[in-house]
Amino acid sequence: GAGVSQSPRYKVAKRGQDVALRCDPISGHVSLFWYQQALGQGPEFLTYFQNEAQLDKSGLPSDRFFAERPEGSVSTLKIQRTQQEDSAVYLCASSLMGVAGGIYEQYFGPGTRLTVT
Amino acid sequence: GENVEQHPSTLSVQEGDSAVIKCTYSDSASNYFPWYKQELGKGPQLIIDIRSNVGEKKDQRIAVTLNKTAKHFSLHITETQPEDSAVYFCAARSQGNLIFGKGTKLSVKP
Repeated sequence: GAGVSQSPRYKVAKRGQDVALRCDPISGHVSLFWYQQALGQGPEFLTYFQNEAQLDKSGLPSDRFFAERPEGSVSTLKIQRTQQEDSAVYLCASSLMGVAGGIYEQYFGPGTRLTVT
Repeated sequence: GENVEQHPSTLSVQEGDSAVIKCTYSDSASNYFPWYKQELGKGPQLIIDIRSNVGEKKDQRIAVTLNKTAKHFSLHITETQPEDSAVYFCAARSQGNLIFGKGTKLSVKP
């Protein structure tokens, strides 16, 4: 079946521009996660949704980062007034159940590579 | 919070040899430990995982072991092939989220 998809795959933004990154999770998956992966590093947690509820946003680095999942399916990560340090790959992952549901496997999309110039 | 250390950062083996990657974690409450393979330009791919109530799990050429007392877990790949070349990440599940190690770049030389 279809996996997690993300768009765009590549995004170049001038410093100060706003960007929006989209994630389509696996159909029926309750949980959706966003991670940030800097070059040569492992993914770092940003935020977590269970259906449409954002239950954890402790990893968002600043108030310029905002995520939503209004209908409990597609999610958008928005970055306002982009800075050079925002350059990274942004990964989305989905999981079949909520974090208390006992199924923990997370499946990742291909990521969006954001370059801020 | 949880902290995951991964070693080595790079590993080069001859085709057919075995490869071992080791990780340690700090939070004794972590209960799930997946391993991901990431190829250039792609997202991480789940290759094997283990829960805290199990000591070892095997899937064909890949195995994972977990020592809860010592808080470490390892990935073992036997009979390595060139297509195993990639970056491998370990992770620990803490409070619902995955905390990743920094990755191991595995090169398998034909």
